[in-house]
Amino acid sequence: KQEVTQIPAALSVPEGENLVLNCSFTDSAIYNLQWFRQDPGKGLTSLLLIQSSQREQTSGRLNASLDKSSGRSTLYIAASQPGDSATYLCAGRGIGGSQGNLIFGKGTKLSVKP
Amino acid sequence: GAGVSQSPRYKVAKRGQDVALRCDPISGHVSLFWYQQALGQGPEFLTYFQNEAQLDKSGLPSDRFFAERPEGSVSTLKIQRTQQEDSAVYLCASSTRQGSGELFFGEGSRLTVL
Repeated sequence: KQEVTQIPAALSVPEGENLVLNCSFTDSAIYNLQWFRQDPGKGLTSLLLIQSSQREQTSGRLNASLDKSSGRSTLYIAASQPGDSATYLCAGRGIGGSQGNLIFGKGTKLSVKP
Repeated sequence: GAGVSQSPRYKVAKRGQDVALRCDPISGHVSLFWYQQALGQGPEFLTYFQNEAQLDKSGLPSDRFFAERPEGSVSTLKIQRTQQEDSAVYLCASSTRQGSGELFFGEGSRLTVL
């Protein structure tokens, strides 16, 4: 059964720092991996989607990588801003079992201090 | 609509009451998903529809939970005889296609059972 782990659980950085959020998964047989942002009391906003055939995706200051062989994905945020403060969740969509089933990590709560 | 719409946003129920949560997916999205998110946790998969067909309901925690999507568009998640442990945010997501499609989430319905 796929399990997704995110480290660290919480992270606090000063504004302007570059940072990396880590995600690991146990089953390399995935269709894709998706990174989300969740603000308090809100739903999930999709940030980046990496298909199993891809190694990375970029959107603005965000870059996500995927290494299926090691079961790892990272989300790199450049020049962090206070508005980046939120919980970041990664989720893998498995090949085994239901194709609809996204397995989520518990998230990393990011706080960017001005 | 432009995004996934869920209603009600907030629901308070007395233990033992039945509740119904509605999800309006993005127009044209064939896949629809329900997730349950407890406080401080990542979303947990409940069930998945491809058009009107419920292809996976393995995540539904008990037979008190029932979901339907009779016309392949709007979906309703029903919880019968609610209990305190049902208190959570219920998230709905939709996707253009099965397997590799990106998921888009609604704002969620926060259920509190007293």
